[in-house]
Amino acid sequence: QKEVEQNSGPLSVPEGAIASLNCTYSDRGSQSFFWYRQYSGKSPELIMFIYSNGDKEDGRFTAQLNKASQYVSLLIRDSQPSDSATYLCAVIGLTGGGNKLTFGTGTQLKVEL
Amino acid sequence: NAGVMQNPRHLVRRRGQEARLRCSPMKGHSHVYWYRQLPEEGLKFMVYLQKENIIDESGMPKERFSAEFPKEGPSILRIQQVVRGDSAAYFCASSPSETTSGNTIYFGEGSWLTVV
Repeated sequence: QKEVEQNSGPLSVPEGAIASLNCTYSDRGSQSFFWYRQYSGKSPELIMFIYSNGDKEDGRFTAQLNKASQYVSLLIRDSQPSDSATYLCAVIGLTGGGNKLTFGTGTQLKVEL
Repeated sequence: NAGVMQNPRHLVRRRGQEARLRCSPMKGHSHVYWYRQLPEEGLKFMVYLQKENIIDESGMPKERFSAEFPKEGPSILRIQQVVRGDSAAYFCASSPSETTSGNTIYFGEGSWLTVV
């Protein structure tokens, strides 16, 4: 079992719709959860982080965390073509030191006109 | 991304040559992380260093790869006798301290290694 799992996609949504991206993780003791956006040929860009169960909203983005189900999701409202990118879920677990991030393989999102 | 400097941005090496990738963390950051991203894959942790110390190298291949972060100067990821499978993007990240606040981790722009 992979430590962090995501569907590779592509996930296609029409412009203006809600895009829902999902991620599960295996380390039950994981502390912190992150969503990064990565455009092709670019470095990852942090767009959301969440530490506590529930929802966290930032503009058009909402991160949802359910530690009991070991599940974290990202909702993008009013999707725009510029949101088309690969979204990486990342987790900081209990093992190892410092801010060691464990990434999923990413979900490719395509927002269509 | 601001502040974490990686160079070279693109590097081409022939099989068997050595590749050296450099990373200067953000000012005031003493923790450096290296990640590798193979084509169409997610980022894989390689090594975590503090000044003059390797803290976690659990993601480093056992042979040909080494990393250092000297007291003065940038962190260096060294790949000896490169093979085509080493072709990837190598990302460096830095943070100011050992905390669980991953929102303080900043990534560089990456170094793209191509082995021909």
